[in-house]
Amino acid sequence: EAGVTQSPTHLIKTRGQQATLRCSPISGHTSVYWYQQALGLGLQFLLWYDEGEERNRGNFPPRFSGRQFPNYSSELNVNALELEDSALYLCASSLLAGTDTQYFGPGTRLTVL
Amino acid sequence: AQSVTQLGSHVSVSEGALVLLRCNYSSSVPPYLFWYVQYPNQGLQLLLKYTSAATLVKGINGFEAEFKKSETSFHLTKPSAHMSDAAEYFCAVSDFTGNQFYFGTGTSLTVIP
Repeated sequence: EAGVTQSPTHLIKTRGQQATLRCSPISGHTSVYWYQQALGLGLQFLLWYDEGEERNRGNFPPRFSGRQFPNYSSELNVNALELEDSALYLCASSLLAGTDTQYFGPGTRLTVL
Repeated sequence: AQSVTQLGSHVSVSEGALVLLRCNYSSSVPPYLFWYVQYPNQGLQLLLKYTSAATLVKGINGFEAEFKKSETSFHLTKPSAHMSDAAEYFCAVSDFTGNQFYFGTGTSLTVIP
């Protein structure tokens, strides 16, 4: 069974540009979560999607947004990139919403120059 | 709101020695608790999960954790460290609403040969 996949592996952008990150959950999983892992800051919760709807978002500005498609894959968009957006962005999926175990993808390394 | 505290951002042990990684949570009701491991340049992998069944939870790779409600703790242990255990370890908590996972800031484990 394929795990959570993310693309691209690495992404290099300049300040002010937009970045789009993609995530495909494990087959059958309907919930997708996005996290930012910046150096020295641990995992910060960004967004949670379930059944196509945004269920919760962390303490991030509105320029961080996303969506979930009918096939449950998801994309994260970051507009007006800032240097401090440089981080590893991790996607996770779970079979059930909320308290179920989250399975993580390998992440997308975003570098903002 | 939930919170998770991991005491010790860096822990070093000798190969063959006991591994003890500390995690304390704040919650008014028993939560779901998780330990994840992250190897360099990879996503997070679930080690074990507590869901209010047995208080001693056994996970993969010889790790186990004990839920102690009186101490609001969920420390991770392994009797004998192996070189391959060197990684970043994250404790996480999810409450019954399941709206959000809260991750600790992580503990980097170094195993000395």
